[in-house]
Amino acid sequence: GEQVEQLPSILRVQEGSSASINCTYENSASNYFPWYKQEPGENPKLIIDIRSNMERKQTQGLIVLLDKKAKRFSLHITDTQPGDSAMYFCAASAYGQGKLIFGQGTKLSIKP
Amino acid sequence: EAAVTQSPRNKVAVTGGKVTLSCNQTNNHNNMYWYRQDTGHGLRLIHYSYGAGSTEKGDIPDGYKASRPSQENFSLILELATPSQTSVYFCASGDAWGQDTQYFGPGTRLLVL
Repeated sequence: GEQVEQLPSILRVQEGSSASINCTYENSASNYFPWYKQEPGENPKLIIDIRSNMERKQTQGLIVLLDKKAKRFSLHITDTQPGDSAMYFCAASAYGQGKLIFGQGTKLSIKP
Repeated sequence: EAAVTQSPRNKVAVTGGKVTLSCNQTNNHNNMYWYRQDTGHGLRLIHYSYGAGSTEKGDIPDGYKASRPSQENFSLILELATPSQTSVYFCASGDAWGQDTQYFGPGTRLLVL
């Protein structure tokens, strides 16, 4: 199987709190896991990625965790701001596959 | 920043008509991709290409053809458009066989009546 499942589909959090999005993948050969952010009316843009030789990566208020045994990876946004409101997509790719498999997306809304 | 452009940006087509969506990238990337985006389905891969002259079927290729005449250009062709193909279509380019950043174009909004 090649599916990537992403949950939740809708997430509303209070400004200043943390938001977490979870993804699971089926292909045990997957070794590259990017996250894309898409603002309304815009195209998706890469915000952070992690490769299978790492378990954790952090940049500018974003944390990605990877659990290869459970075939699960997650995005954590700390100290959320109104500008974090957007659609977020996780994806997975296996070496030599030549493509990304995207999750279904999470619509994140930050409540003031 | 990598540059990917798409044309047209908006298109209204009739059922049974032919539609061609064009994509151009100036990044000299080997790989190019066509996705469609529908609510509840995320980004689904239609066709992709490893380089000029190559096209590969993605996850939902039925009803679509693709053409990669050059490194820069990648087209998506709907020979007989149907209302179920109403969607937003994104082109993307990237390298490293899908294991690095993909740069997306601005999208084409297609309505098939």
